[in-house]
Amino acid sequence: NAGVTQTPKFQVLKTGQSMTLQCAQDMNHNSMYWYRQDPGMGLRLIYYSASEGTTDKGEVPNGYNVSRLNKREFSLRLESAAPSQTSVYFCASSEPTGRLVHEQYFGPGTRLTVT
Amino acid sequence: AQSVTQPDIHITVSEGASLELRCNYSYGATPYLFWYVQSPGQGLQLLLKYFSGDTLVQGIKGFEAEFKRSQSSFNLRKPSVHWSDAAEYFCAEASGGYQKVTFGTGTKLQVIP
Repeated sequence: NAGVTQTPKFQVLKTGQSMTLQCAQDMNHNSMYWYRQDPGMGLRLIYYSASEGTTDKGEVPNGYNVSRLNKREFSLRLESAAPSQTSVYFCASSEPTGRLVHEQYFGPGTRLTVT
Repeated sequence: AQSVTQPDIHITVSEGASLELRCNYSYGATPYLFWYVQSPGQGLQLLLKYFSGDTLVQGIKGFEAEFKRSQSSFNLRKPSVHWSDAAEYFCAEASGGYQKVTFGTGTKLQVIP
């Protein structure tokens, strides 16, 4: 099992360029998440998907879009990158059972720099 | 809104010394609490979790945490720190009924010989 995989690992964009960050999990989890991590701010939720076919905004969704392509894959798109989106992006998945919250499993991250 | 506070941004301990990392949560009623560890350049890994029951929970790598409802705290402890414990530690909280988790800002642990 690879767990949660993310591509690419590193990316440099110019302001205004677009790109898609890919995430896949092989644990058959229903829920998937995108976070960004900035120094001194911990992890902040961008979007999440509670199940295939649904997505919801998190704490910092502006400038991003997501697609839950199928149960395995959850992509994050930056349509017009801005320097403020320079960050490390983490994808995570979990398997909630009813109202019980389960731990999240994280990918290795994508380090994005926007110049 | 939920918030998780980790008051210590950076902690330095000597190898072999005991460790306590502080965490305060806000949601209260039925908190689901987690501690994660992040090694440099890596994703987060779960150390331990608390949902209910015994207020002292054991985790991996010799860590434990104690849930204290009266203090809204969930502090992480280890009796003897190893150099390989140097990492950043995140406390997190979720409330029952939805799947969003709020993370604290992290505590970076440095271990000196």
